[in-house]
Amino acid sequence: NAGVTQTPKFQVLKTGQSMTLQCAQDMNHEYMSWYRQDPGMGLRLIHYSVGAGITDQGEVPNGYNVSRSTTEDFPLRLLSAAPSQTSVYFCASKDAGGGTGELFFGEGSRLTVL
Amino acid sequence: GENVEQHPSTLSVQEGDSAVIKCTYSDSASNYFPWYKQELGKRPQLIIDIRSNVGEKKDQRIAVTLNKTAKHFSLHITETQPEDSAVYFCAASIRDYKLSFGAGTTVTVRA
Repeated sequence: NAGVTQTPKFQVLKTGQSMTLQCAQDMNHEYMSWYRQDPGMGLRLIHYSVGAGITDQGEVPNGYNVSRSTTEDFPLRLLSAAPSQTSVYFCASKDAGGGTGELFFGEGSRLTVL
Repeated sequence: GENVEQHPSTLSVQEGDSAVIKCTYSDSASNYFPWYKQELGKRPQLIIDIRSNVGEKKDQRIAVTLNKTAKHFSLHITETQPEDSAVYFCAASIRDYKLSFGAGTTVTVRA
């Protein structure tokens, strides 16, 4: 299993440009989420999904869109990039089963907005 | 929403000594408290977690304690080793797929 795969790993955008961060998981996990990591602020939840066709907002959703058309994929779209969106983005997935609460993270995508 | 505070922000310990990181949370309904370790340039990985029906959990050199009355929980690392150097994040949640993280503690183990 590849686990959680994010692309691209690095991206530089100009203010106003749009782009999509891709996330795919091959563990058949129901739950998927996007976090952003900024120095001194930990990881903050952007959007999450509890299953295909279902998405909801997290703590910092403004400026981002998501969709979940399949169990495997959960892309994050930046509609009009702003310098405040410079960050490292992590996609994560979790099994819906009642056992472990572990989130499995991707390797991260470092985004710079100029 | 849930607010998690984590202290200290940095911690330097001598190899072999213990390290303690403390977190407080605001929502008394939170019932799941994981700890993640993130090495430099890597992804966060779960090291231990505890649910609200348990007061303490231990896994080799790592232990977590939970005080629901005071709404705080702590990570204890004993006999620290150089490979324990990393950033540690606590988190709290009602739904374990929707975590609220603390700001992180950078732990440095001095040889």
